[in-house]
Amino acid sequence: NAGVTQTPKFQVLKTGQSMTLQCAQDMNHNSMYWYRQDPGMGLRLIYYSASEGTTDKGEVPNGYNVSRLNKREFSLRLESAAPSQTSVYFCASSYLGLAGQETQYFGPGTRLLVL
Amino acid sequence: GENVEQHPSTLSVQEGDSAVIKCTYSDSASNYFPWYKQELGKRPQLIIDIRSNVGEKKDQRIAVTLNKTAKHFSLHITETQPEDSAVYFCAGSRPGGTSYGKLTFGQGTILTVHP
Repeated sequence: NAGVTQTPKFQVLKTGQSMTLQCAQDMNHNSMYWYRQDPGMGLRLIYYSASEGTTDKGEVPNGYNVSRLNKREFSLRLESAAPSQTSVYFCASSYLGLAGQETQYFGPGTRLLVL
Repeated sequence: GENVEQHPSTLSVQEGDSAVIKCTYSDSASNYFPWYKQELGKRPQLIIDIRSNVGEKKDQRIAVTLNKTAKHFSLHITETQPEDSAVYFCAGSRPGGTSYGKLTFGQGTILTVHP
C-alpha cells in the first residue's frame, strides 16, 4: 500500500514551458486535491475533485488545469509556467470518516522551480 | 469562505516544556479541525483532529481543545522533545455543499524544541 504518490519529485522549467504533475492513490479514496505551499503562506488549495468525473476550483486556480483521469489518478497541468508558480506542490486524497469528516492524506510533494 | 488564523508563527521552547498553538476560524458552520505536522522537506501528516461535538481530545502527549462559541481551537504538546520540532498547521472544514471535505489551513507555526 503506497498511499499517495507523486511524480516527478523535482522539476526545473523555463518560463512559458508546460508540464503535468502526476498523482495517484491506492487507498480507494473518492476525493483528491492539489495544493501549493509557499513560505509563510501555508497550504493553499488549487483544485479538488470530490469524485471521479468532477473537478472544482479552489483558492488559487489561475494558471492551472486538472484532470481526474480515474478514481486513482488526479493530474495538475501548467500550460505556460511562470516564475510565480515556483512552489512545492502537494497532492492529497481523502475518505469519508465514520463521523462524516474527510481525513486528508498527503503525497510526498513535487518541488517546482520556474526560471 | 472560511478563514483560519494561526498564532504564533514561531515558537521556541526548552525540552520538557509545554507548547501551545492557537487557531481561530470564521465560519461557524465548520465542524472538523485537524492538525498536521510537517517536518523539514516532508509531507504534512495528520497528528490529531477534533469534531465540533467534542470539546477536548487527547493522544498521549498531544491534546486539542475546541471552543465553538469563541470559534477557536488549540494544540497542546506536553513534555516536548527535540523530535517535536517541525511546522504545525491547523485547518478547518465545513460539511455539505460544494465545500464538503475542503480544508482551509492556517499559516503554520514553526516549533523549535531546544535540548
